[in-house]
Amino acid sequence: KAGVTQTPRYLIKTRGQQVTLSCSPISGHRSVSWYQQTPGQGLQFLFEYFSETQRNKGNFPGRFSGRQFSNSRSEMNVSTLELGDSALYLCASSKTGPGVNYGYTFGSGTRLTVV
Amino acid sequence: QQQVKQSPQSLIVQKGGISIINCAYENTAFDYFPWYQQFPGKGPALLIAIRPDVSEKKEGRFTISFNKSAKQFSLHIMDSQPGDSATYFCAASLSQSGGSNYKLTFGKGTLLTVNP
Repeated sequence: KAGVTQTPRYLIKTRGQQVTLSCSPISGHRSVSWYQQTPGQGLQFLFEYFSETQRNKGNFPGRFSGRQFSNSRSEMNVSTLELGDSALYLCASSKTGPGVNYGYTFGSGTRLTVV
Repeated sequence: QQQVKQSPQSLIVQKGGISIINCAYENTAFDYFPWYQQFPGKGPALLIAIRPDVSEKKEGRFTISFNKSAKQFSLHIMDSQPGDSATYFCAASLSQSGGSNYKLTFGKGTLLTVNP
């Protein structure tokens, strides 16, 4: 059974650029969540999508956006990159949503470095 | 506002010892408390989870103890092994659907090192 797949695994971008990260959930999972992980702030919630609808959004600036497609695959976009956006971006999927269902599975993440 | 506080930041134990990691939460509406294990280069993986209607849950060498009145829960790793060396995160969530749910609030993590 395939897990949560995130692409690319590593990314280096320059300040001011934009970036798009991709997440393919486990087959049958309709909820996709995104988290930012940094050494200082730990794991912070970005947003959650279910059936192409954003159900919850964390406290991040509008430069961070996401979407979900009809096949449940999700993308997140960060525009006008800042040095502080350097982090590991994690995607997680579940059948119904985090907390509602125990099956909340993380991908291995995309390591974004902004220079 | 940090709603889940985790301690210690790092922990070193000897092989065969007991590792104990503690978490405290603020939101009394939380009703789902999972623990995640993360190895370098990997995403967090669910280890064990508990709901507040029980005070303890055990799965193999891993036990969660839950104290609802104190708003605290802890992870105990019995007979700790070098392979348990990883970062452990506690988390909390609202399990019911709707509103501002649909997210996990994480503690900041504990780096566990088990010496052989």
